[in-house]
Amino acid sequence: QPVLTQPPSASASLGASVTLTCTLSSGYSNYKVDWYQQRPGKGPRFVMRVGTGGIVGSKGDGIPDRFSVLGSGLNRYLTIKNIQEEDESDYHCGADHGSGSNFVFVVFGGGTKLTVL
Amino acid sequence: QLQLQESGPGLVKPSETLSLTCTVSGGSISSSSYYWGWIRQPPGKGLEWIGSIYYSGSTYYNPSLKSRVTISVDTSKNQFSLKLSSVTAADTAVYYCARQGRHYNWFDPWGQGTLVTVSS
Repeated sequence: QPVLTQPPSASASLGASVTLTCTLSSGYSNYKVDWYQQRPGKGPRFVMRVGTGGIVGSKGDGIPDRFSVLGSGLNRYLTIKNIQEEDESDYHCGADHGSGSNFVFVVFGGGTKLTVL
Repeated sequence: QLQLQESGPGLVKPSETLSLTCTVSGGSISSSSYYWGWIRQPPGKGLEWIGSIYYSGSTYYNPSLKSRVTISVDTSKNQFSLKLSSVTAADTAVYYCARQGRHYNWFDPWGQGTLVTVSS
């Protein structure tokens, strides 16, 4: 099964842009990854899914246009433009092995804590 | 709007069984389009998938927890439940329930979570 690696922390100034990275382990370059936002003290919220072709499906409810994704090789990126105070959160990536009704299991990365300066 | 709410004891003794229930409102748990999952988050750590269930009763478990986990569904009450046996302090975590798509297997939405502490 894949291992997902995320930097533990990131920071960006109000109004700036930041790109968060989720790296799949070797051999899993065809896997798609889901991004989740977790505000302090809250449950996670689905942001969007990303593969090497970009977004897969649609964004989660209420996710602003400032959020976008890209995928390249083993890396899956979440970019946030014009960062707002409300974007200060933990961001988790997850991947499922198998698909649809052949789903087998799910793995998550360790999460990245985004601080808005 | 679909909502999920976890419930159960906040304190469990070591070696005993942790039991939680997730109540689904605003939609049917018997939908053919979704699984229903449990995910946990130890304090200060990342997310860990525990397992998922389809309304028919088919289950999918994390191999690392499979020997201790049972997930069940009660369609008449629109609920699904988690039992984790032989708990230790390492099972202390916030436990979340969530809806999981069958086509795209992401989790959306999630419950607010409930903290379960394992301590004597």
